Amino acid sequence: GQNIDQPTEMTATEGAIVQINCTYQTSGFNGLFWYQQHAGEAPTFLSYNVLDGLEEKGRFSSFLSRSKGYSYLLLKELQMKDSASYLCAVRYSGAGSYQLTFGKGTKLSVIP
Amino acid sequence: GAVVSQHPSRVICKSGTSVKIECRSLDFQATTMFWYRQFPKQSLMLMATSNEGSKATYEQGVEKDKFLINHASLTLSTLTVTSAHPEDSSFYICSARERQGRTFEQFFGPGTRLTVL
Repeated sequence: GQNIDQPTEMTATEGAIVQINCTYQTSGFNGLFWYQQHAGEAPTFLSYNVLDGLEEKGRFSSFLSRSKGYSYLLLKELQMKDSASYLCAVRYSGAGSYQLTFGKGTKLSVIP
Repeated sequence: GAVVSQHPSRVICKSGTSVKIECRSLDFQATTMFWYRQFPKQSLMLMATSNEGSKATYEQGVEKDKFLINHASLTLSTLTVTSAHPEDSSFYICSARERQGRTFEQFFGPGTRLTVL
């Protein structure tokens, strides 16, 4: 099966940097996604990693270590609008296709 | 591009009735669509994977006779919750997959909030 762990909640200050960690255990790993989800809305895609290393995209960066089953999402220059849940999702090969399993999400609160 | 729509956005129904939710990929062809359910303060849970023109593959614990999925075309999938009960009240989100660059990215619809009285 698949197992994904990430912290339940985090709080950070506006303008600061925050790192959200995600560890996973899965067979047939085929990539890791980070999504942002505001309350009552559907998730929106932030980043994708399939190879080890850091992917940078504006204020957001995502890192992957496949050997450690570990990823993190780094948010810089935090803004109030960044308050949301951040979902780590692992894609794996299963049932003849690719499946995506989500972690429970990390609720980030950005305070002034 | 890559927009996924869902209809309706909210629905309230009486216990025992059936509710149909539509998911459309507006500007791309989605050979595969996914249906997720999300309870309050929980993560998204995959219910089923739907490939155009074939039967959906349901996740363990999801009743296929209760949650009917039809993926009749490359741009439309429907989820029908039959004989809905209050415990079916949830946020239902569909997702469609399109190949983009080096990955098959999934795009999510805006979700449908179902409340069963």
